[in-house]
Amino acid sequence: DQQVKQNSPSLSVQEGRISILNCDYTNSMFDYFLWYKKYPAEGPTFLISISSIKDKNEDGRFTVFLNKSAKHLSLHIVPSQPGDSAVYFCAALFTNAGKSTFGDGTTLTVKP
Amino acid sequence: NAGVMQNPRHLVRRRGQEARLRCSPMKGHSHVYWYRQLPEEGLKFMVYLQKENIIDESGMPKERFSAEFPKEGPSILRIQQVVRGDSAAYFCASSPTGTDTQYFGPGTRLTVL
Repeated sequence: DQQVKQNSPSLSVQEGRISILNCDYTNSMFDYFLWYKKYPAEGPTFLISISSIKDKNEDGRFTVFLNKSAKHLSLHIVPSQPGDSAVYFCAALFTNAGKSTFGDGTTLTVKP
Repeated sequence: NAGVMQNPRHLVRRRGQEARLRCSPMKGHSHVYWYRQLPEEGLKFMVYLQKENIIDESGMPKERFSAEFPKEGPSILRIQQVVRGDSAAYFCASSPTGTDTQYFGPGTRLTVL
């Protein structure tokens, strides 16, 4: 039973356009969500997070949207740059439990 | 402030040997998490530790795997009698409390021959 799902294994966009990465979860008790970026042979790097009491959080080119009723979150990258090409993982956690549950990742390719 | 350190970065073992993976959390972080990434898969939670305590080991295989985070020194993930299916990237993460962002190390890539 996978509680966090990223249904698109890959996404390709043109430089300068918007990248939208999606993530669905099944457990309504999750109260904190994060996006990580991972390059090959490196560990995941924290990008942006959102608490369940919010529906949007923005940091520069990155915005995360949370739709609690749909149990869905998305990461928007605008404008996309070739250096954004990486695997993006969404993660969800219960803040009183600590461990994160990860999706399987989406590979983003930004073409020059 | 150094990030999460893991060593070795690459580890090769023959079937039946033991593997020891080390993780030094970021300074000031007392919560450590271990995750495993099998080829073509996402990160799977294994174990969550605080100093000298295992908080959650629900993701640990029942046999051959153990973890510790002693009062002094790094956290250790130990795999006894390794098998080919243990080949994976093992990532350690740390956080200052148990309730917020986890910061990851570069991982240890274990290859079992």
